[in-house]
Formats: sequence, structure tokens, C-alpha cells
Amino acid sequence: AQSVTQLGSHVSVSEGALVLLRCNYSSSVPPYLFWYVQYPNQGLQLLLKYTSAATLVKGINGFEAEFKKSETSFHLTKPSAHMSDAAEYFCAVSAYNSGGYQKVTFGTGTKLQVIP
Amino acid sequence: DAGVIQSPRHEVTEMGQEVTLRCKPISGHDYLFWYRQTMMRGLELLIYFNNNVPIDDSGMPEDRFSAKMPNASFSTLKIQPSEPRDSAVYFCASKLTSGEQFFGPGTRLTVL
Repeated sequence: AQSVTQLGSHVSVSEGALVLLRCNYSSSVPPYLFWYVQYPNQGLQLLLKYTSAATLVKGINGFEAEFKKSETSFHLTKPSAHMSDAAEYFCAVSAYNSGGYQKVTFGTGTKLQVIP
Repeated sequence: DAGVIQSPRHEVTEMGQEVTLRCKPISGHDYLFWYRQTMMRGLELLIYFNNNVPIDDSGMPEDRFSAKMPNASFSTLKIQPSEPRDSAVYFCASKLTSGEQFFGPGTRLTVL
């Protein structure tokens, strides 16, 4: 079984401040991990992904995430928030299930508000 | 590639009518997913296919919902009969094994 927990359904930061969105996962097999962003009235788009290479993953728009196996975490960070970062962010885990198929599980999402 | 294509983008129908949502995945992708998103329930996985075969439909709400994938380039999600509580945005996504999902723009369904 696998699961994803995103702590904080809403996060507010000031423009220029550090962005930290938390994601913890559980998986009985080595997972792939993803962060997606969804802007209003749009579909989800990939920010970054971890696929068992480097543990520090850099994505688009200045975001990065670090895979920490010991903490089962994959937190998303950005040093300086921009107004355009206001969106909803989803963490997802993908791993093979017992049937040999890839199962993808999404977290419940975190809405990021950026205050000018 | 044009990405995942969904049609229609918006659908307004009356309760009791049949609704069919369509999806064309990215060519070569072997997984296809249908999701539903609402304010109350967030993003829900309805069903997913691998190589056109349904793998897990445990997220399908009830028998009024059905999904098919007759070939690698086309899938449908059908609701019959539709109810107001089915109003949501429905997303289709596709991916390669071990890759990330690519989402379509969604179909906004309103059932009156």
C-alpha cells in the first residue's frame, strides 16, 4: 500500500519569503515521487520528479525538492516566493503494486497564497 | 505532440441525460487515468488503464459511471444517467511506465 500526506491544506507566505510545502509518503517498494502545480482553471502540470537518481531535484520556476528516505519526505521549497507562484500544489507517489502495475497516489493538495 | 486532448471542454446537461467525455492520450503512452476534481472532495482517481486494459476501477463512484479504452489512442468516460452531484471537472492523464503523468485540460461538467 502507498499513501501521501501533505501537511497544511493552505499555506500563506509573503512575496520574497521562503516557500516550504511538506509532503510525506509511505510505500513498501522504492517509489517515484512528483510535485505537480495547478493554476486556476487549468490541469495539473509537472514541477519536478524524483526517480532514484539525485536526491535533490530541481524543477521549473525555481522550485526544488529533496528526497529523504529516512524521513519518508519529499518537501518542496523555493527560496523566494513570487506572486505568480500562487496555485495549488500536489505531491504524488508512484510505485509498482503487487500486480506489477504502476499505481499513482496523489496527496490532497496545498493551496499556496502569496501576500504582496 | 499535442499533449493529452479532452473533449468537450465544457458540458452542461440536465439531470438524467447521458454524458460522454472523451480523451486522446499522448501517443505511445501505455497508462491512462481518469480523475474527478471538486472543491469538496479534491482530486479523485476514478479508473486507470494499462495497455487499454482497466487495472483498477475501485474509484468509480457507482454503476452509473463506465469507462472504456477501445484502442491505445482513445478513451471514454460515460455517465448514465447523470445527476447534479456529478458536476465536477474531469481530467484525463496519460503516462509511460515509470514516467510522470501528463494531464489534459479537463472537462468541466455541469449537471442541472
